[in-house]
Amino acid sequence: AQSVAQPEDQVNVAEGNPLTVKCTYSVSGNPYLFWYVQYPNRGLQFLLKYITGDNLVKGSYGFEAEFNKSQTSFHLKKPSALVSDSALYFCAVTSGGSYIPTFGRGTSLIVHP
Amino acid sequence: ETGVTQSPTHLIKTRGQQVTLRCSSQSGHNTVSWYQQALGQGPQFIFQYYREEENGRGNFPPRFSGLQFPNYSSELNVNALELDDSALYLCASSLGLAGGNEQFFGPGTRLTVL
Repeated sequence: AQSVAQPEDQVNVAEGNPLTVKCTYSVSGNPYLFWYVQYPNRGLQFLLKYITGDNLVKGSYGFEAEFNKSQTSFHLKKPSALVSDSALYFCAVTSGGSYIPTFGRGTSLIVHP
Repeated sequence: ETGVTQSPTHLIKTRGQQVTLRCSSQSGHNTVSWYQQALGQGPQFIFQYYREEENGRGNFPPRFSGLQFPNYSSELNVNALELDDSALYLCASSLGLAGGNEQFFGPGTRLTVL
């Protein structure tokens, strides 16, 4: 069975500082990995995905994520946080053999002015 | 904003009743997936429809059923509602199956079961 872990319920960072939101996964076969963001009272918005190729993936709003196969991780990063980045972030995984995505529980990112 | 719309926005039902939620997918998308998001949790996959046929189902009982229409819009039906069915129900559309493709989510339907 595939699974996703987001070990931090909340991440606090000061505006202008780099941010990292952690995600680890477990799948059989090659993983397909996604990051989504959810603002209050809104649906999820796609940020970026890794299917194959370069381990560093660049996405929307200046976010990027690094796929690390040996550590089974796919951490979300941004060099300089904005207050408007404050939201709920979800990591999701599936594999080539499954069409069913599994989402993590989410990490609340709070960026302080 | 995505082009995915859901109706109604909010809904209150009593235990034992039946409910139908609706989703209009983004133009050109042939796959619709439904998720249940309980408070403080990540979305849980219910099922997805690809070209009008169910293609993949999560760990939900048969009283959760769905349809996809020729225009790729979709319905989620829940029979014999239980208190634990109270949640935000999200619809997502994609071009191709959800496993390898980015999904575009609607704003959700908030269902409260009393």
